[in-house]
Amino acid sequence: ETGVTQTPRHLVMGMTNKKSLKCEQHLGHNAMYWYKQSAKKPLELMFVYNFKEQTENNSVPSRFSPECPNSSHLFLHLHTLQPEDSALYLCASSQDPSGGATDTQYFGPGTRLTVL
Amino acid sequence: DQQVKQNSPSLSVQEGRISILNCDYTNSMFDYFLWYKKYPAEGPTFLISISSIKDKNEDGRFTVFLNKSAKHLSLHIVPSQPGDSAVYFCAATQTNSGYSTLTFGKGTMLLVSP
Repeated sequence: ETGVTQTPRHLVMGMTNKKSLKCEQHLGHNAMYWYKQSAKKPLELMFVYNFKEQTENNSVPSRFSPECPNSSHLFLHLHTLQPEDSALYLCASSQDPSGGATDTQYFGPGTRLTVL
Repeated sequence: DQQVKQNSPSLSVQEGRISILNCDYTNSMFDYFLWYKKYPAEGPTFLISISSIKDKNEDGRFTVFLNKSAKHLSLHIVPSQPGDSAVYFCAATQTNSGYSTLTFGKGTMLLVSP
């Protein structure tokens, strides 16, 4: 595997379910990100992890719970979601975010989530 | 309030012609701008970027122009090819923010017809 991978690619869940999204990067990067893209909206940053420490939580509801056990893996745990949470969830990684904006982010293919 | 705006949801261009994708921003603190390209069922991939100290950056067929006074940037693709058909996202950030948090536009879908 190369680059940034995400599983599952598609997920349908009920509002009472608990599920997790997984992201893995094979690039040796130190930072990982979760983004949400809702229909007809821009990508919105949800969480940033830098060297496994959460450095940004962009006012995300607690029904989304991130976990970063190491620099290569990132999870997004989902519970009691709402239909409006249906969206494309994208993971990204970058080498060293302390390097500022020139630190290019590499994206995974995303998980298309539908909440019924 | 959207800080990065791509007002054209879609653009159609003939192969060989120039494609011009536009982006406007409102936050004067943004000093670094990027374009990402996204094919269906794939994540966005970095295409080209420009720092606010420049007004033009070129990479092969792709050129990005920045007009700071107008808070406007554009991506030019010359000549356009059918493989360029994708969604193009404009993104912006502040380089002194400590880490690279990007603010994205909604994207413009480019269709290049043979």
